[in-house]
Order: sequence, then C-alpha cells, then structure tokens
Amino acid sequence: SQQGEEDPQALSIQEGENATMNCSYKTSINNLQWYRQNSGRGLVHLILIRSNEREKHSGRLRVTLDTSKKSSSLLITASRAADTASYFCATDQRDDKIIFGKGTRLHILP
Amino acid sequence: DAGITQSPRHKVTETGTPVTLRCHQTENHRYMYWYRQDPGHGLRLIHYSYGVKDTDKGEVSDGYSVSRSKTEDFLLTLESATSSQTSVYFCAISSGTSGGNEQFFGPGTRLTVL
Repeated sequence: SQQGEEDPQALSIQEGENATMNCSYKTSINNLQWYRQNSGRGLVHLILIRSNEREKHSGRLRVTLDTSKKSSSLLITASRAADTASYFCATDQRDDKIIFGKGTRLHILP
Repeated sequence: DAGITQSPRHKVTETGTPVTLRCHQTENHRYMYWYRQDPGHGLRLIHYSYGVKDTDKGEVSDGYSVSRSKTEDFLLTLESATSSQTSVYFCAISSGTSGGNEQFFGPGTRLTVL
C-alpha cells in the first residue's frame, strides 16, 4: 500500500485565497517532500522537510510536519492561476525508497 | 529541466510484445527510479537503482525488469506487455541517500498496450 495519502483529493478555490493540502503516512521517515505536476508533465520538486523539522517556508509555500501524528500539510498562500496543478507528497523511507501519494488536484478559479 | 530524458515519449504496442523504455541522465546522479502513473493510483515505484548493476524492486515490480550497465542509463523492460501495463512511465534521478535529496523527473513515456 502507498505510504502517503493526500487530502483532499481535489480542491477548487478562488484566486488569491490560500490552499491547504494534507498528507498522512504510516511508517517512520527520513524526510517528506512535496511535488507539483502540471497536466501532461513530469513532477517538479517544491520543498523538502526533514523528520527533525516542524515547519519550513519557501516563497508562498509553507510546509509543516508532525511526526507524532504522521502527517504533513502544504499551504500555498495568495494562490494564482499558475498554481493549478496536482500536488503530491512523497515520503523518504529508511530503505532508500521514496513513496508517493495519490495527489491533490488543485484548481484555482479566476 | 535537469538533464534527464526518456525514450520513446510515446509507444503503442500489442499484447505479448517485449518493450524497453530508456532513461538517460547527464547529471551523474547515483539513484535512478522508474514509476508508473495511473488515474486513481498516483505514482507507484516499479524498480530503482542505487548504482551501476545495483537495483531493487519497488511496490509494483511484477512483469517488469530493469538494467543499469552505465551510470547514465536505466532501462525498463516489459518482457511480454499486457494491457494492464498501459500507463505513463516516469523516470527520476536523485543524487542523495536516504538523507534526503529531491528527485528530478523526466518528461514521461506514454505506453499503450493493445
């Protein structure tokens, strides 16, 4: 079974609003990463948070990690039309494997 | 984009035919991965490599084999393609160990098995 599970599966918000996506996982990890995928393209790395970190920022992105709850969240502030994409969390397991979730489809409405 | 290419980009084949997909990198990264992406399943790891001639299975390895004879090339082979292997296949590379490095993805190969 897959390690990461994103929630919600799909999200539509108005441009300018904030978007929050969540990821839950099952086993101990070294780190957790978030990726974006535009339609028909490969995945692009957004941000990595290590297991000993609780929060990380990168531009309009804010990621939190709660290892006690085995969950992470990705917040995109002041959303733009260009943020429309699918977002995946990926957990870096201790055996060198990186396991992806099924993704959240984000649609920014004009 | 990172120096990673996949070939072919599109392929249509028939059931029972062998198929080989190629991933080529110019980054000299140690780790290479093959994923398949299907609606409702996200990305699933097929096989990965942690060095030349060093490979291991992922979560959906049945029906697939891989080879890595050079650092820059990672081949995925479907010995006898089935319709269930119709998918989009992505190759990814990474420089790091489980300490955590980002993966760079290729553009994908869309495979259709009739």
